[in-house]
Amino acid sequence: NAGVMQNPRHLVRRRGQEARLRCSPMKGHSHVYWYRQLPEEGLKFMVYLQKENIIDESGMPKERFSAEFPKEGPSILRIQQVVRGDSAAYFCASSIPDRVGYGYTFGSGTRLTVV
Amino acid sequence: QQQVKQSPQSLIVQKGGISIINCAYENTAFDYFPWYQQFPGKGPALLIAIRPDVSEKKEGRFTISFNKSAKQFSLHIMDSQPGDSATYFCAASKTGYALNFGKGTSLLVTP
Repeated sequence: NAGVMQNPRHLVRRRGQEARLRCSPMKGHSHVYWYRQLPEEGLKFMVYLQKENIIDESGMPKERFSAEFPKEGPSILRIQQVVRGDSAAYFCASSIPDRVGYGYTFGSGTRLTVV
Repeated sequence: QQQVKQSPQSLIVQKGGISIINCAYENTAFDYFPWYQQFPGKGPALLIAIRPDVSEKKEGRFTISFNKSAKQFSLHIMDSQPGDSATYFCAASKTGYALNFGKGTSLLVTP
């Protein structure tokens, strides 16, 4: 009974490259949330998705960032043309439909370093 | 803007002591208030949670106190142990919406 799986665990990108972060939710979970954690900061909400649908992307920067959760496969957070300020830990969480907003299970995160 | 404000930023407690972390929120529509524990290199894990219809919830050494009129809630860790050393986050949400997190409290329990 695997938990929320995120990969890669660590990702190094040069400025201007693209970063792709993957999240496979727990079995039976159809809701995915992405958060960004900066040093000395809390977890900042980015986007909330259901399969094939973005429910709330109010926390996502308008440019360079996008997210998807296709019918099949993991959720993807994509950052285009990365900059040093994108360096952070990115966490994904999932929940079942009846527990939107609570009952989160978090993955171990992807630590993105932009050099 | 930060919807959930957490204090203190860091806390040092002796083994056996009580650790207290406080949070305040503004949105009166919030109806779920969890606390998460995070160890270095790991994702946050749910510790304990409360809904606004009760003023206190206890699970083992962990207690949430909730004051609806003051829009505040706190985590008490009784008999704190070195293994409790971690970062603690409070959060709040309205049903159907994503969680809003505080900035976290780094707790160190000394032997």
